[in-house]
Amino acid sequence: DAGVIQSPRHEVTEMGQEVTLRCKPISGHNSLFWYRQTMMRGLELLIYFNNNVPIDDSGMPEDRFSAKMPNASFSTLKIQPSEPRDSAVYFCASSFKGRGTEAFFGQGTRLTVV
Amino acid sequence: AQTVTQSQPEMSVQEAETVTLSCTYDTSESDYYLFWYKQPPSRQMILVIRQEAYKQQNATENRFSVNFQKAAKSFSLKISDSQLGDAAMYFCAYRSAIRWNTGTASKLTFGTGTRLQVTL
Repeated sequence: DAGVIQSPRHEVTEMGQEVTLRCKPISGHNSLFWYRQTMMRGLELLIYFNNNVPIDDSGMPEDRFSAKMPNASFSTLKIQPSEPRDSAVYFCASSFKGRGTEAFFGQGTRLTVV
Repeated sequence: AQTVTQSQPEMSVQEAETVTLSCTYDTSESDYYLFWYKQPPSRQMILVIRQEAYKQQNATENRFSVNFQKAAKSFSLKISDSQLGDAAMYFCAYRSAIRWNTGTASKLTFGTGTRLQVTL
């Protein structure tokens, strides 16, 4: 398996623009997580899905952020409109439902909002 | 809510020496998992080692081992014979096991990380 695949690897956008980050989890995994990493706040869980259903979105900063998982093999994280403070590395991770299994992370998307 | 605390923002170790990274956590649950992840400059998150709370024996993976003290809610990582390639950010993480029997997974909560430098 190719692992968790995120696209794009890097994104530079202007303030106010819409940004969409994409994630393909590992086949067979039924849990998917979106994390944001910054120097100031470390790794923050934004939202996670089980069986394509959002379970906990309490980490989503505000209404400008939205996430979807239309099927088991694809998820998106959208920011509209983007702001400079959204600049961070965004990670997607997936996990199998088995007991004690770890989350496997993608390479992350480095987002810069100018 | 569960919290994970890593009190050492940075640590340094000489090559071939041993270093211990600290992690404490707060939970009211009895069944859970603990992980150490490594994040090198490439930013890829890599699992180093895993511990199941119901197992008393400390997990080991080659040069990596943990000291799991359930009563103290402590989960430290020991790296023996440190190598230059061990230089990275290390994150401690907690995961509840409560929902496992329903076929769903719980979230992974991370600490703030410890940056490990390895010197010659």
